[in-house]
Amino acid sequence: RKEVEQDPGPFNVPEGATVAFNCTYSNSASQSFFWYRQDCRKEPKLLMSVYSSGNEDGRFTAQLNRASQYISLLIRDSKLSDSATYLCVVNLADSGYALNFGKGTSLLVTP
Amino acid sequence: EPEVTQTPSHQVTQMGQEVILRCVPISNHLYFYWYRQILGQKVEFLVSFYNNEISEKSEIFDDQFSVERPDGSNFTLKIRSTKLEDSAMYFCASFSGRNTGELFFGEGSRLTVL
Repeated sequence: RKEVEQDPGPFNVPEGATVAFNCTYSNSASQSFFWYRQDCRKEPKLLMSVYSSGNEDGRFTAQLNRASQYISLLIRDSKLSDSATYLCVVNLADSGYALNFGKGTSLLVTP
Repeated sequence: EPEVTQTPSHQVTQMGQEVILRCVPISNHLYFYWYRQILGQKVEFLVSFYNNEISEKSEIFDDQFSVERPDGSNFTLKIRSTKLEDSAMYFCASFSGRNTGELFFGEGSRLTVL
């Protein structure tokens, strides 16, 4: 069974804090990796893709370790608006781009 | 900005009834999907559709489910005889086929089976 595992949290952090989320995936054939964000009772939205070399988008940094089958997301200088559930997502190159979602890690940023 | 639209936003039905959920994907996208999310659980893949046929389906997508793209614009999910455990949010998504791999999701259709 192809699983994506995440620490469910919740992570409660003050504004300005740095927070890190981790994710592991079971299928070594996985080819593409993403972090999606889901606000309460809303649809998932792409936050960022994750590349082997690591990538950064403003306050967000994503890392991939293929050998350990591990993905991370670092959020620096947390804002209240970062409060959401962060979904680790993996697909398979031979799956027609079907996405396999983790259950998500809940983040609450407090004033 | 182009978006995926879904109707209805909420449907309540009796167990055993047929339900059709409708989606209008982004117009130049090539791949279409249905996902579901039972309350408090993860987003689960149901089916993907490309070139007017199913390209992949999960074990959840059994004979009670079917998909259609009847007119080149709408993409529908039909559940023939709903069960209580079909109660969930159903998300439609579309993908352009380009390298980004980004799926664009609709706002979802909440199905409640009584």
